[in-house]
Amino acid sequence: DIQLTQSPSFLSASVGDRVTITCRASQGISSYLAWYQQKPGKAPKLLIYAASTLQSGVPSRFSGSGSGTEFTLTISSLQPEDFATYYCQHLNDYPITFGQGTRLEIK
Amino acid sequence: EVQLVESGGGLVQAGGSLRLSCAASGFTFSDHHMDWVRQAPGKGLEWVARSRNKGNSYTTEYAASVKGRFTTSRDDSKNSLYLQMNSLKPEDTAVYYCLRDNYFHAFDIWGQGTMVTVSS
Repeated sequence: DIQLTQSPSFLSASVGDRVTITCRASQGISSYLAWYQQKPGKAPKLLIYAASTLQSGVPSRFSGSGSGTEFTLTISSLQPEDFATYYCQHLNDYPITFGQGTRLEIK
Repeated sequence: EVQLVESGGGLVQAGGSLRLSCAASGFTFSDHHMDWVRQAPGKGLEWVARSRNKGNSYTTEYAASVKGRFTTSRDDSKNSLYLQMNSLKPEDTAVYYCLRDNYFHAFDIWGQGTMVTVSS
């Protein structure tokens, strides 16, 4: 199975900060990586797919990059509504797996 | 409006069965692969199963943790996806989400989720 490891697991930041979350795959997954945002009690929301393609309707302050085994999600200027948990996910092979999540909280 | 609505969750004893349903609307259901993902209370996301579209012969995939116990199926005429869960275990307790694959190896539409609780 392909393991996805996110770092950090917890991040404290302020409104206006630039933050980066990393997702490392245990083997190469080309660009088959997506990023999701989840708020408490809600279903996850797709932010980025194919490693760097912004989902329709998602603000441009979100961006993704990477290929192979290392990927990043960057939020260029944190807004109050961005404080949530973020997950990466691959669909290169089965089983599909998710990272363990990165909880982003207000400093 | 593009929408997925799950139903069928509830409380069941270990060893019992439940059947989840997912009703799709606002898009051509038959064109898409559809998946189930679950989330145990306070935990992360775990992929459960995939139902491929007709063009891929309706084939399925399962996570090792549910293989042989869970079966996913679909009825394109009813725009519906199903998850038959047998031999349930307490560790199957979770919110179960129905998802749409967006053709690009990601899940762009999620249902609101349905809670399954398995008592020991």
